[in-house]
Amino acid sequence: GENVEQHPSTLSVQEGDSAVIKCTYSDSASNYFPWYKQELGKRPQLIIDIRSNVGEKKDQRIAVTLNKTAKHFSLHITETQPEDSAVYFCAAHLGAGRRALTFGSGTRLQVQP
Amino acid sequence: EAGVVQSPRYKIIEKKQPVAFWCNPISGHNTLYWYRQNLGQGPELLIRYENEEAVDDSQLPKDRFSAERLKGVDSTLKIQPAELGDSAVYLCASSGAGGYTFGSGTRLTVV
Repeated sequence: GENVEQHPSTLSVQEGDSAVIKCTYSDSASNYFPWYKQELGKRPQLIIDIRSNVGEKKDQRIAVTLNKTAKHFSLHITETQPEDSAVYFCAAHLGAGRRALTFGSGTRLQVQP
Repeated sequence: EAGVVQSPRYKIIEKKQPVAFWCNPISGHNTLYWYRQNLGQGPELLIRYENEEAVDDSQLPKDRFSAERLKGVDSTLKIQPAELGDSAVYLCASSGAGGYTFGSGTRLTVV
């Protein structure tokens, strides 16, 4: 079936290092790929998104890359800080006519000070 | 702008009891979603509304779950009767030109 796979499930980095989270999707018709950050007990917050007509997008320390041929997209966080610690979810619009998002299973990022 | 407002924030009920959640989307957002988020997992779609019409409810367990969006604004999600496995966070989201916005969710615990 249609799904989004996300790796790794947990990621621990030292403050100042970079973190990379990867997702793959199944439906080549998908055209919108957002990333959400969710802190414990809080709502998912959109941090960056990319559409299928763009290969890369950057916003300060975060960037997202999209490879449509391989059907995968990645989140890159540079110069990580302790406040980046959270669960990150990738998502995609999957399925013809579906505007709902399908989410990955999440990556728990821990930035060690 | 108030964002997507959900209530209650927390609910504890005994199994077999009914429960209802309420969502007020962002003004002007015609599309409203209910998601369920189990512990340690990503949100999963239950139902999507375009205005007052439920256009995707294929993932809604219709034997016990129901939803409505009268007048195409507020929405309620109901579970009757609740089961232990329904314990989760129920997230409402709405979307418009600016993208998706989630509410704070209702954390349901069924005991």
